[in-house]
Amino acid sequence: AQKVTQAQTEISVVEKEDVTLDCVYETRDTTYYLFWYKQPPSGELVFLIRRNSFDEQNEISGRYSWNFQKSTSSFNFTITASQVVDSAVYFCALSEIYKLSFGAGTTVTVRA
Amino acid sequence: DGGITQSPKYLFRKEGQNVTLSCEQNLNHDAMYWYRQDPGQGLRLIYYSQIVNDFQKGDIAEGYSVSREKKESFPLTVTSAQKNPTAFYLCASSGLANTEAFFGQGTRLTVV
Repeated sequence: AQKVTQAQTEISVVEKEDVTLDCVYETRDTTYYLFWYKQPPSGELVFLIRRNSFDEQNEISGRYSWNFQKSTSSFNFTITASQVVDSAVYFCALSEIYKLSFGAGTTVTVRA
Repeated sequence: DGGITQSPKYLFRKEGQNVTLSCEQNLNHDAMYWYRQDPGQGLRLIYYSQIVNDFQKGDIAEGYSVSREKKESFPLTVTSAQKNPTAFYLCASSGLANTEAFFGQGTRLTVV
């Protein structure tokens, strides 16, 4: 069975600080996909990134960056120079074909 | 506008009554999903459907039922057998396997 663990329940930072969200996954498949989603207070989940199991290159998109390490089964997410608008719940997810499983989420609060 | 529509946004029911949550998508996606979100537990998969007239149980299917008679519609019925039905319910859809899922705005169900 696949499993996604986000050990950090809540993180609080002051604006402009960097914040890193941890994600550890378990799967028996050799082919799988990993995702990060953001859930603002409105409730709707917003897709941030998708990474397949064969692509271990790190990715940067503006203030967001992702570090995928297959050896440790981790797919961590860093927000650089955080802003108040980054306050949300962030979910890591694992996909095997059509079954998409989520972690418990990390609530990020950025204080002005 | 293309997207996923869940209705209603808020729903109240008396204990012991069945209730059906609506989910419609106009993205021409084959796969559709239902998730339940409780505080601190992230998103848990209830049911998913890869094609019309076919669906699979997720991790917490007991007390729920679904149908997929049309590609664009995937209604969820919360039956009286569900012991703790009060939660936030999210519907999603995706195209090809392992691609990102798009989410609706959710339905908050309260059973009194």
